[in-house]
Amino acid sequence: ILNVEQSPQSLHVQEGDSTNFTCSFPSSNFYALHWYRWETAKSPEALFVMTLNGDEKKKGRISATLNTKEGYSYLYIKGSQPEDSATYLCASPSGGYNKLIFGAGTRLAVHP
Amino acid sequence: DADVTQTPRNRITKTGKRIMLECSQTKGHDRMYWYRQDPGLGLQLIYYSFDVKDINKGEISDGYSVSRQAQAKFSLSLESAIPNQTALYFCATSDPGQGSNEQFFGPGTRLTVL
Repeated sequence: ILNVEQSPQSLHVQEGDSTNFTCSFPSSNFYALHWYRWETAKSPEALFVMTLNGDEKKKGRISATLNTKEGYSYLYIKGSQPEDSATYLCASPSGGYNKLIFGAGTRLAVHP
Repeated sequence: DADVTQTPRNRITKTGKRIMLECSQTKGHDRMYWYRQDPGLGLQLIYYSFDVKDINKGEISDGYSVSRQAQAKFSLSLESAIPNQTALYFCATSDPGQGSNEQFFGPGTRLTVL
């Protein structure tokens, strides 16, 4: 079973700050890297699914990069807003596309 | 209306009781999953099913069983609940035709075993 690790575990920033956090995963037999956003009392929702080395995806103020050779992905949030407060989960398939292995998440709190 | 629903949303039960958590989906996806989430840990896969006739164990299946009654329904049972099964449980679906295996989650069931 591959290990997917995220850092930091939690992060507190002020409104307007830009921030980033990391997901690391085994680089061998790579299939894809998923990012999910999980707000308190809601369901996790997919932000990005990335498959190609060097891939960069963007959704509004949130973007992500992928390095499959070294086994890491960065998630960036530009100009954080209180509504960005959530836990951000990354996940990578194990055993082909059959199932996802999730990291423990980075809990982001954006203070007004 | 939600595409993936779970019932109940909250449940408190006692040690030794049999509990069933239900999941229904209107997305038409073949793949369904049950995860549990514990504080400080990621989502851990309990069971998954790729169609009505296919059931597979995940990483933490001990103490759990599942039933795939139809494409749209996937139930999780705790035959004899114990306190360390207290957790937040999520059901999810995915569409293999999509290629990415992106998961679509239900709202979660918070289970407390006393």
